[in-house]
Amino acid sequence: DAKTTQPPSMDCAEGRAANLPCNHSTISGNEYVYWYRQIHSQGPQYIIHGLKNNETNEMASLIITEDRKSSTLILPHATLRDTAVYYCIVRAPPGKLQFGAGTQVVVTP
Amino acid sequence: EPEVTQTPSHQVTQMGQEVILRCVPISNHLYFYWYRQILGQKVEFLVSFYNNEISEKSEIFDDQFSVERPDGSNFTLKIRSTKLEDSAMYFCASTDLNEKLFFGSGTQLSVL
Repeated sequence: DAKTTQPPSMDCAEGRAANLPCNHSTISGNEYVYWYRQIHSQGPQYIIHGLKNNETNEMASLIITEDRKSSTLILPHATLRDTAVYYCIVRAPPGKLQFGAGTQVVVTP
Repeated sequence: EPEVTQTPSHQVTQMGQEVILRCVPISNHLYFYWYRQILGQKVEFLVSFYNNEISEKSEIFDDQFSVERPDGSNFTLKIRSTKLEDSAMYFCASTDLNEKLFFGSGTQLSVL
């Protein structure tokens, strides 16, 4: 599986958009970009995933660059409950999810 | 929304004892996984299971570990002879079309 690079931490003000970058320059054509988050040692929670096109759901938006070498997860209106470690993972189903260190996001009042 | 259920939430055992961690995946899912997370470290893949057999396993998943789907609903992880370094949070996950993995809330295993 391709490796990803994420900043180790970022802060965000409550109510503002949080933009989380991820680099995956060695991604293969059959690999999807997945985002998960883990709140304080709970089980990882699925957020969103995509292959080429931008995606949006009730939790977030995923913007994938045209060359697919990087992506951005957008939390449109961050709340205190969004404080978590966010993982960007590239994966070709049916393979495993391989978790890295992720980005620790702290949302402040 | 359907959930992956794990029991027990906490398990304390003595070194050398056998433990079985239990998981009830989401009912129509076909692919099953175990992960673990040692305190302060990354979530690590252990094993994936499909069609009643292991499809992939990591280096961590040695002969002391085994998985089983004994009936149509449960998915278990057995550690035959626990070591201190097996202390971790163990997460079960499942998926249907192998897109979104749904994770349980974990079993905290403490080996004394």
